[in-house]
Amino acid sequence: GEDVEQSLFLSVREGDSSVINCTYTDSSSTYLYWYKQEPGAGLQLLTYIFSNMDMKQDQRLTVLLNKKDKHLSLRIADTQTGDSAIYFCAEWGYNFNKFYFGSGTKLNVKP
Amino acid sequence: ETGVTQSPTHLIKTRGQQVTLRCSSQSGHNTVSWYQQALGQGPQFIFQYYREEENGRGNFPPRFSGLQFPNYSSELNVNALELDDSALYLCASSREGTPGDGYTFGSGTRLTVV
Repeated sequence: GEDVEQSLFLSVREGDSSVINCTYTDSSSTYLYWYKQEPGAGLQLLTYIFSNMDMKQDQRLTVLLNKKDKHLSLRIADTQTGDSAIYFCAEWGYNFNKFYFGSGTKLNVKP
Repeated sequence: ETGVTQSPTHLIKTRGQQVTLRCSSQSGHNTVSWYQQALGQGPQFIFQYYREEENGRGNFPPRFSGLQFPNYSSELNVNALELDDSALYLCASSREGTPGDGYTFGSGTRLTVV
């Protein structure tokens, strides 16, 4: 199956930018997603990018995709304490019709 | 438009028992997928149901089984519970043929096996 990997922890100060990184293995056409999970809650879709794109911006969120290195990043501008959560990178493709999730990056935002 | 509803939200079972988890899909969706999220891990695909039949399965033993009903709701059944089955079980509904951003996840059922 596919392998999606993320760093486990990130700590930033309120107002700074956060960058969460992810690597994936599938080389075919896929969609790459970022989900947010707050304590005791389910998954909230934040944003996504198709594998033929390089960048996508959505308000405070910027997704960058390096197809050659199979590296995906999520940048959160002006990080707030409410952004503290676990962020999951996930890959989805029509050829496998399911999500492969990373283990999640726990973002801690200090006031 | 209602979202995905899972029940119960929490439950505690004893090792060896059986459990049934329920999921009602979002209006307009005809496919249901189940994921297991162990503590500190990302969700892992269990299986998917479409047209009341299993349509893809992850690396889970046969004691994990499911059903989909004519109204597209679904059940996940786990027999002979083991301590390692303790996890958050997430259900996601979608419309067949839509990519991943068309999936809606429920809030999950937290199962504790003691």
